[in-house]
Amino acid sequence: EAGVTQSPTHLIKTRGQQATLRCSPISGHTSVYWYQQALGLGLQFLLWYDEGEERNRGNFPPRFSGRQFPNYSSELNVNALELEDSALYLCASSLRGSGAYNEQFFGPGTRLTVL
Amino acid sequence: RKEVEQDPGPFNVPEGATVAFNCTYSNSASQSFFWYRQDCRKEPKLLMSVYSSGNEDGRFTAQLNRASQYISLLIRDSKLSDSATYLCVVIITGGFKTIFGAGTRLFVKA
Repeated sequence: EAGVTQSPTHLIKTRGQQATLRCSPISGHTSVYWYQQALGLGLQFLLWYDEGEERNRGNFPPRFSGRQFPNYSSELNVNALELEDSALYLCASSLRGSGAYNEQFFGPGTRLTVL
Repeated sequence: RKEVEQDPGPFNVPEGATVAFNCTYSNSASQSFFWYRQDCRKEPKLLMSVYSSGNEDGRFTAQLNRASQYISLLIRDSKLSDSATYLCVVIITGGFKTIFGAGTRLFVKA
């Protein structure tokens, strides 16, 4: 069974540009989570999508946004990039039906570098 | 105060040693608890869920203390391959929020 996939693997942008990151969940998973992991820091929760709806978002400015498509894949958009947005962006998916006991399966991440 | 706190380490232990990590959480609405493992420059992977009754998986034992709001992970007979960062994860009731600790780094030396 294919795991969570993310693209691109690496992304280099300059300040002020926009970045789009993509995630495909494991087949059958309806929930997608996005996290930011800056160098030397822990995972910071960004967004949670389920069944096409945004269910929750972390403490990030509105220039971080995303969406979930009918096939449950998801996109994370970061507008007006700043140097401190450089980080590893991880996507995870889970089964929604099992409530709070969901194991989240992570993709390999997209490493975003803002110059 | 962070919602989930871990000792960042690093813990440097010899092969065969027993090592324990603690993680404290502050939100009493915390419902589910997990330990994840993250190798250098890799994605996190689930190590084990944590139950109030405690659970064991081979050399790994996880405990939850709801009264004191902490979870623990015990690794017995450490192997070189156990070297990684161990992340404590707390899910708030309803699954609306997943909080990762910053991780504890473990180095197991020959």
